[in-house]
Amino acid sequence: AQRVTQPEKLLSVFKGAPVELKCNYSYSGSPELFWYVQYSRQRLQLLLRHISRESIKGFTADLNKGETSFHLKKPFAQEEDSAMYYCALRGDSSYKLIFGSGTRLLVRP
Amino acid sequence: NAGVTQTPKFQVLKTGQSMTLQCAQDMNHNSMYWYRQDPGMGLRLIYYSASEGTTDKGEVPNGYNVSRLNKREFSLRLESAAPSQTSVYFCASMAGDTQYFGPGTRLTVL
Repeated sequence: AQRVTQPEKLLSVFKGAPVELKCNYSYSGSPELFWYVQYSRQRLQLLLRHISRESIKGFTADLNKGETSFHLKKPFAQEEDSAMYYCALRGDSSYKLIFGSGTRLLVRP
Repeated sequence: NAGVTQTPKFQVLKTGQSMTLQCAQDMNHNSMYWYRQDPGMGLRLIYYSASEGTTDKGEVPNGYNVSRLNKREFSLRLESAAPSQTSVYFCASMAGDTQYFGPGTRLTVL
């Protein structure tokens, strides 16, 4: 079965602290993993995709096939990073994304 | 380019009432989706349409119907609303590996 697990509903850190949002997946093939973000009063939007190996707004995520994880990291959190973050998997069907339950990141001043 | 638009933004229904949520995209995308977002449950796929003329069930289709009217429009219908359908509903379209979301419809069923 294809599944995405985000174990933390809420992650609260202080400005300048490192951030790691956890994402684990279950999929037997070669997955495509994504992070989507929803800022307050804005639409859900793509943050980054594992295949690009890119850094967006200081965030990076590495696909670890051995641990079936795709954790999102940022070395120094900013207040504007406060948002809802969703990890997503594209597996068997190229038409569908499977989303995790989301983690709300709160960056305190 | 408006992207993905949804109407209405807010709606309150009584149990048993019916309504249709409208979604349109102007990006010429083939695939379109309806999700519901509930606290602690994340985004759950209700129905999707891989291309004009096709629709398929997602994870939570019960109590909903959809119509892919044309390439631009994908509507979601609640025939007999129930309190369990209180949620925020998002429409999305997809190009390549990226989904583009609408602003959402907040639905309350009393």
